[in-house]
Amino acid sequence: DAKTTQPPSMDCAEGRAANLPCNHSTISGNEYVYWYRQIHSQGPQYIIHGLKNNETNEMASLIITEDRKSSTLILPHATLRDTAVYYCIVRRIQGAQKLVFGQGTRLTINP
Amino acid sequence: GAVVSQHPSWVICKSGTSVKIECRSLDFQATTMFWYRQFPKQSLMLMATSNEGSKATYEQGVEKDKFLINHASLTLSTLTVTSAHPEDSSFYICSSTSGGANEKLFFGSGTQLSVL
Repeated sequence: DAKTTQPPSMDCAEGRAANLPCNHSTISGNEYVYWYRQIHSQGPQYIIHGLKNNETNEMASLIITEDRKSSTLILPHATLRDTAVYYCIVRRIQGAQKLVFGQGTRLTINP
Repeated sequence: GAVVSQHPSWVICKSGTSVKIECRSLDFQATTMFWYRQFPKQSLMLMATSNEGSKATYEQGVEKDKFLINHASLTLSTLTVTSAHPEDSSFYICSSTSGGANEKLFFGSGTQLSVL
């Protein structure tokens, strides 16, 4: 599976949009971009995933560049409860493929 | 979304004893289960992959005789830490998928194991 690179930490003010970048320059054509987050002492929570088109759901938006070498997760109106470690993962879609976690980005939402 | 129920949430045991952690898929059939381990301030590390009715596949460096995985049904997988030692103290998390293309992985809430 392709490797991802994320900044180790970010800060964002409550109520503002949080934009979390991810580089995945070696992504293959059959790999999706997944985003999960982990709040302290809990299991990871699925946020969103996409292949090449931008995606939006009730939690976030995912913007994938045209060359698919990077993406940005956008939390439109961050709240204190969004403080967590955010993981960007690329994963093949054929079969039951495992998720390989990198170090993620520790996002802190400040009041 | 799909729910994966993991028990217990935390367990404290004496060194040398065995601990069993259960992971259940509540509203879907989990053909594949993944077991992860997480040490403080570190990321999740995959330990093993199990498919219903077959032996688990362990990642390099994970002792299969120490971490016994059973996936006897489509809704239940168990991880047994045998002869636990303090260095086995960690946060254990299961993850499940029903398979197929474009599917999401759902995670249990995790089990904090402390070995005294």
